[in-house]
Formats: sequence, structure tokens, C-alpha cells
Amino acid sequence: KQEVTQIPAALSVPEGENLVLNCSFTDSAIYNLQWFRQDPGKGLTSLLLIQSSQREQTSGRLNASLDKSSGRSTLYIAASQPGDSATYLCAIYNQGGKLIFGQGTELSVKP
Amino acid sequence: EPEVTQTPSHQVTQMGQEVILRCVPISNHLYFYWYRQILGQKVEFLVSFYNNEISEKSEIFDDQFSVERPDGSNFTLKIRSTKLEDSAMYFCASSEVNYQETQYFGPGTRLLVL
Repeated sequence: KQEVTQIPAALSVPEGENLVLNCSFTDSAIYNLQWFRQDPGKGLTSLLLIQSSQREQTSGRLNASLDKSSGRSTLYIAASQPGDSATYLCAIYNQGGKLIFGQGTELSVKP
Repeated sequence: EPEVTQTPSHQVTQMGQEVILRCVPISNHLYFYWYRQILGQKVEFLVSFYNNEISEKSEIFDDQFSVERPDGSNFTLKIRSTKLEDSAMYFCASSEVNYQETQYFGPGTRLLVL
């Protein structure tokens, strides 16, 4: 059974710092992996989708990597801003489109 | 930019009552999903739906749950007899071409069962 774990559970950094969020999964036979952002009490905003055949995806200050053999993905945020404060979720695509989520990393960027 | 919408944003109901949560997926999307998030817990998959049929459902999605696409735009989740433990945020999502495409989520309906 696929399990998704995110470390750390919470992270606080000063503005401008580069940071890395980690996601690990137990079954390397994944389809795709998607990173989301969730603001308090709100829905999920898609950030990046990495196809299973890809090793990374970039969007602006965000870079996500995928290493299926080690069961890991990272989300790199460059030059963090207070507006980046949110919970970041990674999710694995299973067959049939079922997304299996991690518990998230709550990021706080201090001005 | 097209987005998934959900109504109502909040719903309070008494235990045992039926509720219907409504979603309008992005218009050219063909695949639809419901997820829920109990406060402080992970987002959990409930059901996926394509071509007017359930494609996959979780063990949570028991006989008290049903989904329907009553017309060309709406996608609904019905909970027949609500329980206290059904209190959660319910998210609808849709994707365009196939199950491996990006899923776009709505803002959610917060359901509170008293």
C-alpha cells in the first residue's frame, strides 16, 4: 500500500532564504507526482506536476525533482517571500487517478 | 482562468440528514473526483468518475455516498444519512484528458454534522 510522508511537518524561515521541502513514498511504481499549495481553510492550488518519466519540473521560483528509485521528491523554493507561507502537499498518482496525499509541510516565511 | 467551483461553501446539518454537495468542474474536463479532509488530517480520496460511471472508489465511499452528473455541468456528492464523523472539508476536482493529467481542485465545502 502506497504511503506518502512529508518532512518536516513545519518550517519557519526568514524572507529571502532558499528552502527544500521533502516528500517520500513507499512504492516506486508511481504514475505522476503533484505538488500543491493549501492556504488556511482554502482549497488546493496545483503548483507542479512531474510525469513519472521526468526527473524535474520548474515554474518560476519553484523546482520539483523526482527520484523514483529512492522514493523521493523535493520541492525547492528560491528566494522565499512571506506570500509563500502556506501548507505544501505532495501527492502520488495511483492507477485510476487516485491521488494519495502526504500530510503536508506548513511553511512560514517571516518578513 | 477556468476554475472548479463548489457550493455551498459551508453546510451545517443534523446527524441522519441527507446532504448534497455540488461542484461545477472546468468545462472541457472529462474526469471528476471527490476528496475529503478531516480537520488536521490528510486529504483522502473518495471517488473518481468518468463517462457517467464510477471508475474507482475508496473504502470510505460506502453505501451512504453516491455521485451523479445530473446535467452537462454539475457533479454532485450525496451523503444519505450523515454521521458525526462525516464532518470534513469536501473537495471536488477535475482533470482534462485522462487520469494522469493535473487535477484542479475547487475551494471546498466545509460540512459540519451536529
